[in-house]
Amino acid sequence: ILNVEQSPQSLHVQEGDSTNFTCSFPSSNFYALHWYRWETAKSPEALFVMTLNGDEKKKGRISATLNTKEGYSYLYIKGSQPEDSATYLCAFLQGGSEKLVFGKGTKLTVNP
Amino acid sequence: EAGVVQSPRYKIIEKKQPVAFWCNPISGHNTLYWYLQNLGQGPELLIRYENEEAVDDSQLPKDRFSAERLKGVDSTLKIQPAELGDSAVYLCASSTGTSGRTDTQYFGPGTRLTVL
Repeated sequence: ILNVEQSPQSLHVQEGDSTNFTCSFPSSNFYALHWYRWETAKSPEALFVMTLNGDEKKKGRISATLNTKEGYSYLYIKGSQPEDSATYLCAFLQGGSEKLVFGKGTKLTVNP
Repeated sequence: EAGVVQSPRYKIIEKKQPVAFWCNPISGHNTLYWYLQNLGQGPELLIRYENEEAVDDSQLPKDRFSAERLKGVDSTLKIQPAELGDSAVYLCASSTGTSGRTDTQYFGPGTRLTVL
């Protein structure tokens, strides 16, 4: 059974703070890592697909890094805004599989 | 471009009743997924379709769950009879199925099922 862990489980920050959270996954037979943002009452939205060790992706104030050798990815949000409040999910794709395995998510709340 | 459409958004039923969820994927997306998300957990794949063929239904509890994707477009997921433990969010997603490991899945808003 693949284990994809996300930490912290939840996080409260003040508007303007920068924050980051972690996704850990098996370091063997890595194929891809996907990040999603899921706002309450909306559809999960794809943020990044990461495939190479050392990848860094950026979308506005959100960025992500990938370390496949040690099995983790960080998601960073710079200058958090209330509209960043959401659950951030990572999903691991192992080589030879076509099934994404999701973590439980990190629930971010940004207080104005 | 219209996103993935799911209906209903919310459903409350008594246990032992049947229930059905409908999904309309993004036009041109060959691959369709149904996920189950229990409270506090990440989405878990129930079934994946390539066009009209179910290519991975290993996680679908076949005693009470069924799914179909007629003509390779819309899909329906059914539970009969529903149990208390089926209360969850049921998500549908679609993708082109042509991009390998970077194939992005686009999700609908989900159906929140409550079984009383």
